[in-house]
Amino acid sequence: ETGVTQTPRHLVMGMTNKKSLKCEQHLGHNAMYWYKQSAKKPLELMFVYSLEERVENNSVPSRFSPECPNSSHLFLHLHTLQPEDSALYLCASSQDLTVTGREQFFGPGTRLTVL
Amino acid sequence: AQSVTQLDSHVSVSEGTPVLLRCNYSSSYSPSLFWYVQHPNKGLQLLLKYTSAATLVKGINGFEAEFKKSETSFHLTKPSAHMSDAAEYFCVVSDPDMRFGAGTRLTVKP
Repeated sequence: ETGVTQTPRHLVMGMTNKKSLKCEQHLGHNAMYWYKQSAKKPLELMFVYSLEERVENNSVPSRFSPECPNSSHLFLHLHTLQPEDSALYLCASSQDLTVTGREQFFGPGTRLTVL
Repeated sequence: AQSVTQLDSHVSVSEGTPVLLRCNYSSSYSPSLFWYVQHPNKGLQLLLKYTSAATLVKGINGFEAEFKKSETSFHLTKPSAHMSDAAEYFCVVSDPDMRFGAGTRLTVKP
């Protein structure tokens, strides 16, 4: 595997379910990110991790819980979601925290549908 | 505070004709600027980036962009569109927080 991988690629869940999204980067990067991409809205940064420590949480509801056990893996734990949480969830990584000029590398995303 | 505005939500061109996707930005500092492309059901792929070197930046797949500080613009161009260019394009400003534009959907007609 190369680059940034995400599993599952598609997920359908009910509002009472608990599920997790997984992201793995094979680039030796130190920073990882979760984004939410909804139709007709700009990309929304949800969480930022640097060297496994959370450095940013952009007022995300507590029903989204991130976990970064090491610099290569990032999880997003989901529970009691709402239909408006249906979106494409993208994971990204960068060499380190966003230094000007340092690009982010994105995974293919998980398409989440909440019924 | 930084911001980025993509002036067109949708651009439609015919195959073989030029492509112009417009992006304006505001930043308190000397920013870096990026263009990313997203094909359906895929993640974002970096097309090119500007980091205060040459103002004309060449990217992959024949795309290029010109940084114009006086106009605070970073428009993306390609001389001749190909069907495979149909996708969503995002302009991004970083100083250093990354801020994404709303995206421009490019349609290429045969």
